[in-house]
Amino acid sequence: DGGITQSPKYLFRKEGQNVTLSCEQNLNHDAMYWYRQDPGQGLRLIYYSQIVNDFQKGDIAEGYSVSREKKESFPLTVTSAQKNPTAFYLCASRHPSGSSYNEQFFGPGTRLTVL
Amino acid sequence: GENVEQHPSTLSVQEGDSAVIKCTYSDSASNYFPWYKQELGKRPQLIIDIRSNVGEKKDQRIAVTLNKTAKHFSLHITETQPEDSAVYFCAASIGSGYALNFGKGTSLLVTP
Repeated sequence: DGGITQSPKYLFRKEGQNVTLSCEQNLNHDAMYWYRQDPGQGLRLIYYSQIVNDFQKGDIAEGYSVSREKKESFPLTVTSAQKNPTAFYLCASRHPSGSSYNEQFFGPGTRLTVL
Repeated sequence: GENVEQHPSTLSVQEGDSAVIKCTYSDSASNYFPWYKQELGKRPQLIIDIRSNVGEKKDQRIAVTLNKTAKHFSLHITETQPEDSAVYFCAASIGSGYALNFGKGTSLLVTP
């Protein structure tokens, strides 16, 4: 799991600002994911991408946007339209398509706080 | 999305006892069921997983069982140790694809 990194570790945002969370992996994984974790809510899927230049909405995509211009990178932008963005954000990646391995490897997370 | 229900939300056992966590899912196309362990302030880590063509899988003190007909799966931890204390999440694949739906987690406390 050392091959997937997220930055920053802590992020503070003022209301009305957009912020971008970074996720990078050097595992040669095709698929990447963004989850949001709130106390008592488990992990909820925001967006995922199976290949470069393609991504799909998860259950709670409203107020978020992503891009996938490079295989290694899957940044998440939290826009001002997200009404309650304070949460712990986890990025994950998965072995290449067609692999017999399904495991998703998680990054260390970014804790976002809206001031 | 499809739901994954997980019970109990908290579980306290004495060291050496067994712990069982149960999950149910609603998507009949789900074919992959992982369990993750998350220690406080850390990232989730896979501890065991099972595919839909298998009914049971064991790895030392940990086992997972799957009942496809009833759409439920369970995590069994035997001979629990204090270092097993953490939050455990079950998950089910969204259809036969790569994304996952997670349960809300079980906070396990193992007391010496």
